[in-house]
Amino acid sequence: GQNIDQPTEMTATEGAIVQINCTYQTSGFNGLFWYQQHAGEAPTFLSYNVLDGLEEKGRFSSFLSRSKGYSYLLLKELQMKDSASYLCAVRRGSGGGADGLTFGKGTHLIIQP
Amino acid sequence: ETGVTQTPRHLVMGMTNKKSLKCEQHLGHNAMYWYKQSAKKPLELMFVYSLEERVENNSVPSRFSPECPNSSHLFLHLHTLQPEDSALYLCASSQERATQAKNIQYFGAGTRLSVL
Repeated sequence: GQNIDQPTEMTATEGAIVQINCTYQTSGFNGLFWYQQHAGEAPTFLSYNVLDGLEEKGRFSSFLSRSKGYSYLLLKELQMKDSASYLCAVRRGSGGGADGLTFGKGTHLIIQP
Repeated sequence: ETGVTQTPRHLVMGMTNKKSLKCEQHLGHNAMYWYKQSAKKPLELMFVYSLEERVENNSVPSRFSPECPNSSHLFLHLHTLQPEDSALYLCASSQERATQAKNIQYFGAGTRLSVL
C-alpha cells in the first residue's frame, strides 16, 4: 500500500526555524510536493523535489533523499502567518499524462509569539 | 486567488437529495482532479481527467458521478449520499506535458459538504 508519514502537530516560536519531516513508502515515485493549507482555504504549492538534494526558495527549503524515502520542509524566520497545515504529497506516475497525488495527513504548525 | 473556483462553498443535503458541485479553472490547464478531505485523514484522490477524458477512478462509490464537459469545467454529481460522505471536496487543475515536469496542481478552496 501507499504510506506517507508526517508529524501531526508541531509548535515553534516566531523568528525561529522549524523542520517538518516526511517519510514515504509508495509503489512508484515521480516527485514530492509540499503544500501549505490555512484553515478553510485552498492548499497552495510551496516546493517540489524530484532529485536528491536541497531546493531553496526564500524562507522555505525542501530536501529529498530518494534512497531513504525521506523529505523535509525547512521554514526559517518564522512569522505568525506561517501557522497552517503543511501537506507532503508524492506523485507516483511513471511520467507523462495526468497523475494524482498521494498525500500525508498533514502537519499542523503552531507559531507562538 | 488560485485561479480555481469552486461553488458552492458550503452545502447541506439530505441522504435522498441530488446535488452537484462545480469547479472552474481559469489557468488554461488540461487536467482536472477531485479530492476528498475528511477530518484527521489525508487528502484522497477521487477522479482524474486529462483532456476531458477520465483517466483514473480511485475506487469511488457510484453515488459520486464526475463530469468534465470541457477543459475548464468539472462537476461532481451527488446522489443518495451517506453521512460518512460529509467532508471537504477539493478540485485541482494542472497543465500536463508529455515530458514530466513539475506539473503543479492548483487547488480551489473546496466545498464543505454536510450530509444529514
